[in-house]
Amino acid sequence: NAGVTQTPKFQVLKTGQSMTLQCAQDMNHNSMYWYRQDPGMGLRLIYYSASEGTTDKGEVPNGYNVSRLNKREFSLRLESAAPSQTSVYFCASAGSSYNSPLHFGNGTRLTVT
Amino acid sequence: RKEVEQDPGPFNVPEGATVAFNCTYSNSASQSFFWYRQDCRKEPKLLMSVYSSGNEDGRFTAQLNRASQYISLLIRDSKLSDSATYLCVALTGTASKLTFGTGTRLQVTL
Repeated sequence: NAGVTQTPKFQVLKTGQSMTLQCAQDMNHNSMYWYRQDPGMGLRLIYYSASEGTTDKGEVPNGYNVSRLNKREFSLRLESAAPSQTSVYFCASAGSSYNSPLHFGNGTRLTVT
Repeated sequence: RKEVEQDPGPFNVPEGATVAFNCTYSNSASQSFFWYRQDCRKEPKLLMSVYSSGNEDGRFTAQLNRASQYISLLIRDSKLSDSATYLCVALTGTASKLTFGTGTRLQVTL
């Protein structure tokens, strides 16, 4: 039981390049999330998906797109990376109960130069 | 004003000490609260949920004060392994409305 698996662990991009962060969970959770974490800012929600086939914007969605491919997988795409997107990205999933805790992946450290 | 505020610390305490963190939240509609622990360069992990009646898990006690809109985490008999950043989290409405504090860093020393 791997929980939430994110790839890659590290990535360096040049401004304007694109990339997709992959996330998969094996806990049969309906809800999945993408957060970014920056020093002094806390975790901020980029996009979330309450169920397969649905996605919604979070607090900081600009510059990102997401795809809920199936119940297990939720990917985050940067179409044209900018230095402001340098951050640590976490994928998370949660069960259906409204107060189910989040289970996080181990993060992707992205640097955009 | 941030929705969830925490003292960033660091709190430097000797092993065996008792340490307490407070966290304030501004949205009175927040209905559930959590403490997460995050080790350096790792993902956050749930430490404990916070119930209205307060709850205890071993050396850890969490309390909620709705009237004053704060939650607290008490760690007794601190261990070196408790060194981490502790994140306060408030849930308002659906699970997409989780708001994280910026965390309080704890360093336990010999």
